[in-house]
Amino acid sequence: ETGVTQTPRHLVMGMTNKKSLKCEQHLGHNAMYWYKQSAKKPLELMFVYNFKEQTENNSVPSRFSPECPNSSHLFLHLHTLQPEDSALYLCASSQSLNTGRMRTYFGPGTRLTVT
Amino acid sequence: EDKVVQSPLSLVVHEGDTVTLNCSYEVTNFRSLLWYKQEKKAPTFLFMLTSSGIEKKSGRLSSILDKKELFSILNITATQTGDSAIYLCAVEKDSGGSNYKLTFGKGTLLTVNP
Repeated sequence: ETGVTQTPRHLVMGMTNKKSLKCEQHLGHNAMYWYKQSAKKPLELMFVYNFKEQTENNSVPSRFSPECPNSSHLFLHLHTLQPEDSALYLCASSQSLNTGRMRTYFGPGTRLTVT
Repeated sequence: EDKVVQSPLSLVVHEGDTVTLNCSYEVTNFRSLLWYKQEKKAPTFLFMLTSSGIEKKSGRLSSILDKKELFSILNITATQTGDSAIYLCAVEKDSGGSNYKLTFGKGTLLTVNP
């Protein structure tokens, strides 16, 4: 248990559905991240939040919409996804972006399948 | 339960030293082992290992996997201060169909002093 939880753990959705992924961290961290892990590819960073402010959007399509209401919670809202968006979505947190080298804690991920 | 254990958790060396980072795992349906270097925020990919005994090399970094003994090592020779980072090991397992699961170790914090 890393202190970062994600729900749901598995999600199957059609291309016209709207769903949300939730991440919660109990570590008192101020930076949170969304990553995408596709088959046989390294992690891809999607979004970064530092003290609830989005600091990075790595050219992610607008069908993915993040939300960070507070430092402990991070959401990823999904709509009109494509089958190639099927992947493992990992949430992570760390102390903050203002600290030096930070240990990042990853959640267990949400396995998303788009049909 | 799947486990990825990295050792040591932290390490301090001097420039020019050689370091060996360890990653052991217990995973069913193993698919691959990945090493990442994490400096400021996002981990950056170093190596993906799928076959035993085949060394992967990139500059001063190299890594090898032993699927019989269930571990991997990451070597860094002639270390530089820029090598200071957290090194993450992750193991990918096949969860059936096109599904897979990624389990991360806690990382090794490497500090290279001038």
